[in-house]
Order: sequence, then C-alpha cells, then structure tokens
Amino acid sequence: GAVVSQHPSWVICKSGTSVKIECRSLDFQATTMFWYRQFPKQSLMLMATSNEGSKATYEQGVEKDKFLINHASLTLSTLTVTSAHPEDSSFYICSYRSGFYNEQFFGPGTRLTVL
Amino acid sequence: AQTVTQSQPEMSVQEAETVTLSCTYDTSESNYYLFWYKQPPSRQMILVIRQEAYKQQNATENRFSVNFQKAAKSFSLKISDSQLGDTAMYFCAFMNTGTASKLTFGTGTRLQVTL
Repeated sequence: GAVVSQHPSWVICKSGTSVKIECRSLDFQATTMFWYRQFPKQSLMLMATSNEGSKATYEQGVEKDKFLINHASLTLSTLTVTSAHPEDSSFYICSYRSGFYNEQFFGPGTRLTVL
Repeated sequence: AQTVTQSQPEMSVQEAETVTLSCTYDTSESNYYLFWYKQPPSRQMILVIRQEAYKQQNATENRFSVNFQKAAKSFSLKISDSQLGDTAMYFCAFMNTGTASKLTFGTGTRLQVTL
C-alpha cells in the first residue's frame, strides 16, 4: 500500500499560538487529500478536503479561518491551526485517496495538545 | 447524506475464537464502497477489508471476511481464529464512487481479544 507521513507526530503549544501539521504522500502524487479530527474514544470526523492547487472544501461547522489548509504540491498538504485553544486539542489525521485502489491511505496522525 | 451505524461499542472474544462485528448504513446510491478499518493503540488506521457494492460475492482477506447484504444495507465483519494482535478499534466506513469520494465512518467497535 501507499505510504503517508505526518509531521510532527506530537506537538504541545501554548494557547493563542499557531501550529502547522504536514502531511506527505511518499510514493504517490495525490490530487486530493483529506484532513480528519479524532477526539478521544470517538470516530474520525472529516474536516476538509484538500485539492492540489485550489482552495480546500470544508465540512459544515469547521472554521476555515481557524484551520488553514494548503495543498501546494501533489505530495504535500499542510493544516495550520491558528490561535489554538485547549478545545482544539485532538488527534489530527490526514489521508489521500488513490483512484487506482479506490481507497484512502492514512497518515499516522498528529496529537495536538494546547495548554 | 450517508450514515453508518455500529451498534456494538465494545466486544470481547477469546483467542482462537470467532467474532462478528455489525455495521449498517443508509444511502440512496446504488454503487459505492464499504470498508472495515482497524485502529490499534498506535492509532494508525489500517485497512482490513474492502467491498464494492456492485459485487455480490463477499470479500475475504485471510481470517477476515464480510457478510454484505445490499438490500438490508448491512456489512458485518467476521474475524476467525482471533489473535491478540486483533485487539483494536474497528471502524466501518462508506465511500461513494464520485470524485469527492469522502469516507463516512461509523462510531467504532472496541474489540478486546483475551487469552
């Protein structure tokens, strides 16, 4: 299967600061990537769909000005949590869809803790 | 909008035994994909098995098999010869066949395999 990496794997920041999470597809050029958020003991909730070279599409209820997504290349998408607050503490997971395999490949996730 | 329901929050099975996890979904689409993902304590999402809705034959992958009942919109996962390494959260997921191809996840079932 395809390989997706995320960096960092764990980040702790102070309230009010911004945090950037990188998601890279290592062996596939992904035109579409997805960002999910997972709270403890809950399922994955789709935040947005990231399209290479165009603006991301956000799910209802997700603040686009708070969660900035950039998909500038076929192998890199970034999620920036701006002015983070403790309620933003969560596990963030990226994935990309393989049209060839008709499935999504997931990164290992990033644990964000906002103090 | 599609919905995915997993009615078993937790299940337990003894090693070497067989266990079945339930999943139902709701959609107006005629063609789509269904998945079972495993999320072990590492939290890396791992694809267990995939089913295309247009295929009547149930998918199998070694010890994992599904019972796909399209008319009933049911998609259960059977794990045979359970192993300690099968201990994880299991998520049922739905994906449409359009270019958006978003995954909709169920709430998950926590499976504990015991000695």
